[in-house]
Amino acid sequence: AQSVSQHNHHVILSEAASLELGCNYSYGGTVNLFWYVQYPGQHLQLLLKYFSGDPLVKGIKGFEAEFIKSKFSFNLRKPSVQWSDTAEYFCAVIAGGATNKLIFGTGTLLAVQP
Amino acid sequence: GAVVSQHPSWVICKSGTSVKIECRSLDFQATTMFWYRQFPKQSLMLMATSNEGSKATYEQGVEKDKFLINHASLTLSTLTVTSAHPEDSSFYICSAPHSGGSGELFFGEGSRLTVL
Repeated sequence: AQSVSQHNHHVILSEAASLELGCNYSYGGTVNLFWYVQYPGQHLQLLLKYFSGDPLVKGIKGFEAEFIKSKFSFNLRKPSVQWSDTAEYFCAVIAGGATNKLIFGTGTLLAVQP
Repeated sequence: GAVVSQHPSWVICKSGTSVKIECRSLDFQATTMFWYRQFPKQSLMLMATSNEGSKATYEQGVEKDKFLINHASLTLSTLTVTSAHPEDSSFYICSAPHSGGSGELFFGEGSRLTVL
């Protein structure tokens, strides 16, 4: 069965520090990859996605992620975090063309200290 | 952007009772909706796919008689937890796909169920 793993469950950074959150998936075929974010008290919302093309995708609020097929990875990065980036981040995968059937990772709780 | 709304956001019930959670797409139509369950400090687990006008498709290990799903219209799906027990206490989230086929899902705010 497909699975998604996020290595960091809880990350604490100071403002202006760089961020990288790991995400690995287990599926050998075509995948669509997503990062969702949930700010405190708010709905889950899409941060960025990869379907095809340039493996480096840019999302909202200065986030980017790189798809490395050989490593089955889709790590999320931001060069300089802000206090407002405090949230929970979920990596998710649609595997094999399954219509919208997202498989989520366990999430990473990011706390940015001012 | 598209909005998905759930009601109630929090419900407390006695063991043995049934609880209904509604999921509405407010400004778009959704022939398909997804129900997820989230345990504390764990990932969102897909429970079932709700299909307008037909039976829901349940994921392996999810009891269809326990978690009744009805997708009566293009804007409403309901999840009924029947004969709830404390182990059913959880956070239930619904979502609906973007109508443009982008694969993006719009999520409701979630419904926290506490069974006493």
